[in-house]
Amino acid sequence: EAGVVQSPRYKIIEKKQPVAFWCNPISGHNTLYWYLQNLGQGPELLIRYENEEAVDDSQLPKDRFSAERLKGVDSTLKIQPAELGDSAVYLCASSLVGQGAPNEQFFGPGTRLTVL
Amino acid sequence: AQSVTQLDSQVPVFEEAPVELRCNYSSSVSVYLFWYVQYPNQGLQLLLKYLSGSTLVKGINGFEAEFNKSQTSFHLRKPSVHISDTAEYFCAVTTNAGKSTFGDGTTLTVKP
Repeated sequence: EAGVVQSPRYKIIEKKQPVAFWCNPISGHNTLYWYLQNLGQGPELLIRYENEEAVDDSQLPKDRFSAERLKGVDSTLKIQPAELGDSAVYLCASSLVGQGAPNEQFFGPGTRLTVL
Repeated sequence: AQSVTQLDSQVPVFEEAPVELRCNYSSSVSVYLFWYVQYPNQGLQLLLKYLSGSTLVKGINGFEAEFNKSQTSFHLRKPSVHISDTAEYFCAVTTNAGKSTFGDGTTLTVKP
């Protein structure tokens, strides 16, 4: 079974440029997460989708960040324009969520963004 | 709101020694508890989880953790570590609504 796929793995851009990250979750997983991970810190949720619906985007800086999950499968996270402080690792995760206790999240390897 | 505190940012140990990585949490609602491991240049992967039942849970690679509700702790232990256990370890809580909060991680370094 293929895991969570993210691309690109690394991205270097200059500030004020746009950037996009792509994530393909594990087949059949209805829930998709985007996390931001700064150096020396744990993942922080940016947005959580259940199927096509963004059910938690309270921590997404909507002035410059946007995300979409068309057809409830893969997802794109965009930053426009990027700022120096956006340099971090962007993690995508997926899980199969139903009734009852939450299941584990499966993480992709992340995209390391460097803004110069 | 939930918060997770991992009490040690770095834990160096010698090979075959026991180790404990400490995790405390706070939450106004019931939560489920997880430990994830992250090897260099890889994504996080689940070590173990506590959902209900026995407070001592066993995970992969010989790790176990004990849920203590009164102390709101979920410490991770291994009786004898290997070089290959060198990694970053994250404690996390998830609410019934599916909201997850992670700690800042503990770097475990196993020395020969």
